[in-house]
Order: sequence, then structure tokens, then C-alpha cells
Amino acid sequence: QKEVEQNSGPLSVPEGAIASLNCTYSDRGSQSFFWYRQYSGKSPELIMSIYSNGDKEDGRFTAQLNKASQYVSLLIRDSQPSDSATYLCAVSLSNFGNEKLTFGTGTRLTIIP
Amino acid sequence: AAGVIQSPRHLIKEKRETATLKCYPIPRHDTVYWYQQGPGQDPQFLISFYEKMQSDKGSIPDRFSAQQFSDYHSELNMSSLELGDSALYFCASSSLRGMNTEAFFGQGTRLTVV
Repeated sequence: QKEVEQNSGPLSVPEGAIASLNCTYSDRGSQSFFWYRQYSGKSPELIMSIYSNGDKEDGRFTAQLNKASQYVSLLIRDSQPSDSATYLCAVSLSNFGNEKLTFGTGTRLTIIP
Repeated sequence: AAGVIQSPRHLIKEKRETATLKCYPIPRHDTVYWYQQGPGQDPQFLISFYEKMQSDKGSIPDRFSAQQFSDYHSELNMSSLELGDSALYFCASSSLRGMNTEAFFGQGTRLTVV
């Protein structure tokens, strides 16, 4: 079992709809949770970080964390074609900036115009 | 804002050759991570450095070595290259100073071994 699991996709969502991406992790000691967006052949780009249970909103993006269920999700509202990319969930055991990230395999999202 | 700089962006090497990848972290970031990403794969952690000392080690082959220098830049040295080493290599940096800091990735080096 991978330490970080994501729904494999691909996920197709109509333009303007809400895209929902899910991630589960196995290590209960995990402290920091991140969503990265990666376009094909490009580097991962950080779009959201979340550290405590609940919701965190940033523009069209909302991250949700439930440590009891070991679950983190990303909602993208008003999906745009430019949101089409692979979304990587990443988990760290530390709140501090020196602990490696463990990535899920990513969910490929396609926004259909 | 300054980002993580990696060089070269593209590198073509023959089997059994040596390659050196460089990473310049965001200013004032003290931690550097190296990741390898094969086609269709998630990034795999190789090694990290904090304040010029190795802080963690992942699935890095013995043929690879890395270090962080006094100016915080890092180099990944890869010897006896194999076809399977062809991948995207990313460097990321973060800062230990302060809580809840994030890691930011460089543009990556695409290594092709022929």
C-alpha cells in the first residue's frame, strides 16, 4: 500500500463545474498536507497547503483536511480549461520546512469546455 | 520573487557517462530536496540537505551522490549512467525558520541517457 493514495482518474469535469480531488494517507503522524498542480513536462506548482482540520479557501480552491479519517481533499470551483493538469497530493511528517514530501501518484484532471 | 533555479534544463548523456545537476534554492532557504520523476510517475524522493548536512535519504542509487555547499546550492552527481536514469530531476527548497513552511520546486532537469 502506498503511503499516499489518490483517486487515479482521469477525472473529466465540465467547464464551470466543481472538481473534487481526494487523497488518503497512511501515517497518522503526518502534519503537513499540500496540493501541487503539474502540467505535463513541467515542475510541480504549489497551490494549497493545509495543516489543521477543517477547510482552507484560497480563491477558487478549497482544501479540506480530516486527520481522524486521514483524508485530504481539494475542491476547484468554477473549473477552467487552464485547470486541466495532474494534481499531486503531498504529505509531510513535520510542520517545519525540513521534512521530505511523500507524493501520491496524482490525479489527471481534464476540464471539458 | 526569486524561485529555485536548476541547471542545466536539458541534458543528454551516453550510458556509463557522468552527469552533474545543479540547484540554487530560493534565497534564505536552508533546505534542499532532490526528486526523480519518471514518465507517468509521481516524484520520488532521493535525498535532502539542511544547513549543508544530509538530512534524509530516500531511494537514491549508490551511483548517485549529492552535497550542499556553503552558499546553499546543491549538486547531484550521477555516475555510470543507465538508460533507466532517464527522467525529470527536480530540486525543491524550503526554510526551517518558522512554522508551516512550504517547499517550492525548480523547473527541473530533463536527463536523457542514450
